Amino acid sequence: DAKTTQPNSMESNEEEPVHLPCNHSTISGTDYIHWYRQLPSQGPEYVIHGLTSNVNNRMASLAIAEDRKSSTLILHRATLRDAAVYYCILRDFQGAQKLVFGQGTRLTINP
Amino acid sequence: GAVVSQHPSRVICKSGTSVKIECRSLDFQATTMFWYRQFPKQSLMLMATSNEGSKATYEQGVEKDKFLINHASLTLSTLTVTSAHPEDSSFYICSARVQDGVNTIYFGEGSWLTVV
Repeated sequence: DAKTTQPNSMESNEEEPVHLPCNHSTISGTDYIHWYRQLPSQGPEYVIHGLTSNVNNRMASLAIAEDRKSSTLILHRATLRDAAVYYCILRDFQGAQKLVFGQGTRLTINP
Repeated sequence: GAVVSQHPSRVICKSGTSVKIECRSLDFQATTMFWYRQFPKQSLMLMATSNEGSKATYEQGVEKDKFLINHASLTLSTLTVTSAHPEDSSFYICSARVQDGVNTIYFGEGSWLTVV
């Protein structure tokens, strides 16, 4: 499985934008970029995914580099409820299509 | 998003006994489900892929005779931890794949297992 690299932790303030980076230099042509987040003692929650173009949904935006070797998850106005561990995962659209989790980024939001 | 439910959310069992955890897709049919375990302050570790009507595919290093997976219907997969020991105490999480064109995966709430 292609690997991703994320910072161990990040900190931001409430109501400010947050940019969570992810490097995936070995991404293959059939890999989708997925983002999940996990609050304490809960299962992961789907956030967003993309292939080549930038994506927006009600939770976040996903900016994908032109060479697809990196991406950034953008939370436009962070709230305290956005404090979680954010996982950037490459998922091969072919084959088993399983999600293999790395260590993720622990996001802390200051009031 | 699609709803995946796990039961029980918490279970305590005695060492040497077996415990079953259920994973249900509530509003969709799931031919494929996945089982993970997570220790405190660690990431999720994929244990196995559960396929409806066929044998599960286990990840390397996961004992298939200890962690029995059954996916007998399109909405239910079960994980049975056999002869549980304290080191099996963990957070077990299932997920299910939705046939929505991009096969989005949704997760259950997780089940805490404590073996005493």
